[in-house]
Amino acid sequence: QSVLTQPPSVSAAPGQKVTISCSGSSSNIGNNYVSWYQQLPGTAPKLLIYDNNKRPSGIPDRFSGSKSGTSATLGITGLQTGDEADYYCGTWDTSLSAGVFGGGTKLTVL
Amino acid sequence: QLQLQESGPGLVKPSETLSLTCTVSGGSISSSSYYWGWIRQPPGRGLEWIGTIYYSGGTYYNPSLRSRVTISVDTSKNQFSLRLSSVTAADTAVYYCARGARGANYLGYYYYYMDVWGKGTTVTVSS
Repeated sequence: QSVLTQPPSVSAAPGQKVTISCSGSSSNIGNNYVSWYQQLPGTAPKLLIYDNNKRPSGIPDRFSGSKSGTSATLGITGLQTGDEADYYCGTWDTSLSAGVFGGGTKLTVL
Repeated sequence: QLQLQESGPGLVKPSETLSLTCTVSGGSISSSSYYWGWIRQPPGRGLEWIGTIYYSGGTYYNPSLRSRVTISVDTSKNQFSLRLSSVTAADTAVYYCARGARGANYLGYYYYYMDVWGKGTTVTVSS
């Protein structure tokens, strides 16, 4: 059971927008910054979003992040078939003094 | 650019100790800005954070693994290592090493994210 809760799967059509939620508590998301990772099939995870809403160099602005209270959201616009992947949220848990991940969400672009 | 490469045995017997090394190239492991960590992914499952180390040796571990995990750093070789003792089949996974950024702002809010990952190495626990 993951500390952070994500929906197991989401789907949308090419060109559409999708959001992926990540729910936590005051000891993690509520008082710390959230990051998001994309894992394409058979590859290592890649950082998509850090500090709730910042994009590393090279990540297109189709990807966005937001946070409200103890939940965070990843948004992807202009969906492409190449966006099909597993997406994970992550943060620091102050009570555990440890990093934590969500269980992951599989995105299907129909 | 910075690259990380995991190495170690792909097969470990039950009850033995799993040992992996991550070699950092294209940058110094002694950078004061970063932590160095291990993450694993069992077959068909999600990511599990194992632990992280600062170049000076300070560590943080996943509470569920703390009694079996040791992460160490060798700045002279630009490497850091993972040891996981008393392994069982449940420890079978792809193991990733990664560079992490960690700190806190003036409000005490922590930021923590992993921006450079190795390609991962598969470790199977079986007799």
